[in-house]
Amino acid sequence: EDQVTQSPEALRLQEGESSSLNCSYTVSGLRGLFWYRQDPGKGPEFLFTLYSAGEEKEKERLKATLTKKESFLHITAPKPEDSATYLCAPLRSNDYKLSFGAGTTVTVRA
Amino acid sequence: ETGVTQTPRHLVMGMTNKKSLKCEQHLGHNAMYWYKQSAKKPLELMFVYNFKEQTENNSVPSRFSPECPNSSHLFLHLHTLQPEDSALYLCASSQLAGLSYNEQFFGPGTRLTVL
Repeated sequence: EDQVTQSPEALRLQEGESSSLNCSYTVSGLRGLFWYRQDPGKGPEFLFTLYSAGEEKEKERLKATLTKKESFLHITAPKPEDSATYLCAPLRSNDYKLSFGAGTTVTVRA
Repeated sequence: ETGVTQTPRHLVMGMTNKKSLKCEQHLGHNAMYWYKQSAKKPLELMFVYNFKEQTENNSVPSRFSPECPNSSHLFLHLHTLQPEDSALYLCASSQLAGLSYNEQFFGPGTRLTVL
């Protein structure tokens, strides 16, 4: 059975304090891995797709990396507007289904 | 309208009511999804439609009934719900084509409260 674990569950940062979020997964036949950002009461917003181990993607203060067993989302010098819940979702190749993790809620204080 | 829209945004209903959630995607995608998001739990896939055909029913109780009249519209008909069905219901769409990636784009969700 597929398993997706995100850690930590919650992360409180001071503005400018860089940190990393972890997504570890056990998925049969990984096709890719997605990262989403979700603000309270809203739908998830697509951030990145990673396809193979060693791949990196960047968007503003966010950088996502992928290994064979986990993915990291690095937040460099975060700002309060980066406060959100970040979700990772491995994609299976056999049926193209996403398995979502429970998310990491990031709070950035000014 | 752009992206994926959902109506209503908020819904309060009694256990004996019948209501419907509506989703419309303006992205030209050929697959649509219903997800349930409960507090502190991961998104749960409920239904998948590819080219209007239902390809996934993730052991969802029959009190939830999906309908996909065309590739742009998706409905979720609700009847005789239970209080534990209170959650954020999210619609998503994606483009499925061979080996292309399957990033899903989500609507804003409908916050459902069952009294």
